[in-house]
Amino acid sequence: QKEVEQDPGPLSVPEGAIVSLNCTYSNSAFQYFMWYRQYSRKGPELLMYTYSSGNKEDGRFTAQVDKSSKYISLFIRDSQPSDSATYLCAMRINTDKLIFGTGTRLQVFP
Amino acid sequence: DGGITQSPKYLFRKEGQNVTLSCEQNLNHDAMYWYRQDPGQGLRLIYYSQIVNDFQKGDIAEGYSVSREKKESFPLTVTSAQKNPTAFYLCASSMKGDTEAFFGQGTRLTVV
Repeated sequence: QKEVEQDPGPLSVPEGAIVSLNCTYSNSAFQYFMWYRQYSRKGPELLMYTYSSGNKEDGRFTAQVDKSSKYISLFIRDSQPSDSATYLCAMRINTDKLIFGTGTRLQVFP
Repeated sequence: DGGITQSPKYLFRKEGQNVTLSCEQNLNHDAMYWYRQDPGQGLRLIYYSQIVNDFQKGDIAEGYSVSREKKESFPLTVTSAQKNPTAFYLCASSMKGDTEAFFGQGTRLTVV
C-alpha cells in the first residue's frame, strides 16, 4: 500500500464548477500538508500549505485536513480553464522527507 | 529575483555516460531535495539534504549521487549505473524541514 493515495483522473468539469480533489494517507504521523499545481512540462507550484487538521482558504481555493480519517481535500470554486493542470498532494512528518501523491489531472472546459 | 534555478532545461545523454544536473537557490533555504517524475508515478525522492555537507538517500537513490558543498547548490549526478534515467527531474528547497517546499522548473533528461 502506498503511503499517499491519489486518484489520477482525469477529472473533467465545466467552467464555473466546484472541484473536489482528494488524497488519503496511511501514516497518522503526517503533520504538514501541501497542495501543488503543475502545468505540463513545468515544476510544481505551491498552492496551499496547512499544519495538522482544519480548513484553510485562499481566494477560490480551500484546503481541508481530516487527520482522524487520514483524508485531505482541495476545493476549487468557480473553476476556470486556466485551472486545468495536474494537482499533487504532499505531506511530511516534522523535518522528514516530503511524500507526494501521484497527482490528479484536472480539465476545465469552457 | 529569488527562486530555484535548474539547468539545463533539456539534456541528452548517451548510454554509459554520467551527467550532472544543476540546482541553485538564492532563497537562503536550508533543505534541498531531488525528485524524479515519471508518467503515472508521481514524484519519487532521490536524495535530500537538510544542511551543508550532509545528505540522505531517498526512495530511489541507486544510480545517483549528490553533493552539498554550499548552502545554495545541490547538484545531482546521474551515473551510468542508473538503468532507466530518462525522466523529468525536479529540485526543491525549503527554509527548514518542517515548512513548505518550492520547486524549480525541472530538467528533462533523455538517454539516446
